[in-house]
Amino acid sequence: DAGVTQTPRHEVAEKGQTIILKCEPVSGHNDLFWYRQTKIQGLELLSYFRSKSLMEDGGAFKDRFKAEMLNSSFSTLKIQPTEPKDSAVYLCASSLGRGDTEVFFGKGTRLTVV
Amino acid sequence: GQQVQQSPASLVLQEGENAELQCNFSTSLNSMQWFYQRPGGSLVSLFYNPSGTKHSGRLTSTTVIKERRSSLHISSSQTTDSGTYLCAVSSGSWQLIFGSGTQLTVMP
Repeated sequence: DAGVTQTPRHEVAEKGQTIILKCEPVSGHNDLFWYRQTKIQGLELLSYFRSKSLMEDGGAFKDRFKAEMLNSSFSTLKIQPTEPKDSAVYLCASSLGRGDTEVFFGKGTRLTVV
Repeated sequence: GQQVQQSPASLVLQEGENAELQCNFSTSLNSMQWFYQRPGGSLVSLFYNPSGTKHSGRLTSTTVIKERRSSLHISSSQTTDSGTYLCAVSSGSWQLIFGSGTQLTVMP
């Protein structure tokens, strides 16, 4: 079975650009998460979907970050406009659901904003 | 809310030594998971273990709910075990709360 697939693996953007990161969850999973990971802040939740419905939009990240789930097998995270402080690894994860099942992570997208 | 504390923050071993990593949580839980991460790599699930003991090769995870702790034991460590070990807990909701991790270095 395919795990969580994220594309691209690496992205370099100029400040002010719009970038779109993509994620395909494990087939059949109902919950999908977007996280950002930096050395200083660690793992930060950006958004959470349950059965395609947005349940959590990450509070402080609402401003320039928008996650969407157009169907059960595909999600995007748009950052618009990008800033250098957005440089981080963006991780997508999925689980069967209900908060009590195993979570699987994708390999991540390393974003560098110059 | 749920708080997750991991110890030690860092650990250096000689190859062949055993390691015991701890994860303490503040409230009851629905799920407990251990992850491994290499520098620059993603999170690889090692164990999904909300209670009891599980084994996988040289790794053993034990979660004792009433003591609000989980441990990860690595026996006969190898240099390839080097990396960061993270525990994560959810309790009553969907959100995974992560510990700050244990950075393990195994020297040859």
